[in-house]
Amino acid sequence: EVQVVESGGGFVEPGGSLRLSCVASGLTFSHAWMSWVRQAPGQGLEWLGRIKNGGATDYAAPVKGRFTISRDDSKNTVYLQMNSLKSEDTAVYYCNWNSDLYCTMRVWGKGTTVTVSS
Amino acid sequence: QSALTQPASVSGSPGQSITISCTGTSSDVGNYNYVSWYQHLPGNAPKLMIYEVSNRPSGVSSRFSGSKSGNTASLTISGLQAEDEADYYCSSYTTTSTLVFGTGTKVTVL
Repeated sequence: EVQVVESGGGFVEPGGSLRLSCVASGLTFSHAWMSWVRQAPGQGLEWLGRIKNGGATDYAAPVKGRFTISRDDSKNTVYLQMNSLKSEDTAVYYCNWNSDLYCTMRVWGKGTTVTVSS
Repeated sequence: QSALTQPASVSGSPGQSITISCTGTSSDVGNYNYVSWYQHLPGNAPKLMIYEVSNRPSGVSSRFSGSKSGNTASLTISGLQAEDEADYYCSSYTTTSTLVFGTGTKVTVL
């Protein structure tokens, strides 16, 4: 059974940085495509980006250049590095396993909460 | 990439059928058969209910079905049950190799 667990959320001041981690199990991680999605309070789901096996990435326009997704296959882990954080980045951040190139998000983690506030 | 358009809310009585629409453009829904639907209960992880327009993952009830016509995809829940009360989101792959979600629909069982 594939499982995904996020960590690294917390409080950060505007302008700060934070790195989230996502550990996946139950799959051959080096072959996996993974995405990050967030949900701000009272808002809908927002796709942030994804990383393919091999490390190529795609990002949503609103976060491109500010957020970076990377992976460490030796640790079955994908990361979301978030820089220049704004209050609007306050959200629950979800990691998920994609079963194909077209971002079919089969298995999701329970999320980790990021709060950007002074 | 603008969010796909969904109705904010849909309601129905137990046993009834409801349909949620998801309208995009020729750059997303209209261009690919990679439309998915997710069920999301607050505080829980979203759950994949439909993928590739009309396919159900193992374990998802056959009461859930999907379809697409042009730039609009639809999710139908038949035999509505109290446990179906949740938020539902569609998503579509796009011509820019990204993914876009719908605005979300709150389903209420009366």
